[in-house]
Amino acid sequence: GDSVTQMEGPVTLSEEAFLTINCTYTATGYPSLFWYVQYPGEGLQLLLKATKADDKGSNKGFEATYRKETTSFHLEKGSVQVSDSAVYFCALKNTGTASKLTFGTGTRLQVTL
Amino acid sequence: EAQVTQNPRYLITVTGKKLTVTCSQNMNHEYMSWYRQDPGLGLRQIYYSMNVEVTDKGDVPEGYKVSRKEKRNFPLILESPSPNQTSLYFCASSLNGASGGNEQFFGPGTRLTVL
Repeated sequence: GDSVTQMEGPVTLSEEAFLTINCTYTATGYPSLFWYVQYPGEGLQLLLKATKADDKGSNKGFEATYRKETTSFHLEKGSVQVSDSAVYFCALKNTGTASKLTFGTGTRLQVTL
Repeated sequence: EAQVTQNPRYLITVTGKKLTVTCSQNMNHEYMSWYRQDPGLGLRQIYYSMNVEVTDKGDVPEGYKVSRKEKRNFPLILESPSPNQTSLYFCASSLNGASGGNEQFFGPGTRLTVL
């Protein structure tokens, strides 16, 4: 079946550092890929998405490129802020699976001054 | 404001006492879903609904029931809760279940503890 693997957290960075959170997936067909963010005490919010190979999703300074050849969708940000501290989830939605999102286990990011 | 609401936000109960967690969306979405979030496991789908009166099992449906009598509401029912259902529950909705790129909107979560 479909699966998503994320790097283990927590990830601790200083403000203005470069962020990479790795995400790889296993799926048949041509899934759509997503990054969701969960701030403390809140539900998940869509951060960015890509629906086909080589698409780049971007939002709030975050980017991720859908790489079919490496089955990856790594999240990057050039300069993190304290307000980016949250849990980040990589997820996929495959065709024909009735909108079911398959999530990774989440990566906690802690940004310090 | 477009949103998904859940109630209650926090609930502590005892084994075997039936409970219902409500979920409502005001976006006229066809698709709704319940997930549970557990440490180290991410979010796993419990049940989903493609439209009114259409529901189906997700990956972890045991011990749960749902209904979809109205488009906006999708309650999650635990007939006889057990401690292994202690978890953080999220309801989500999207415009429809067909399009792969449709964003799912999540509620704020319900933290359930079963003693």
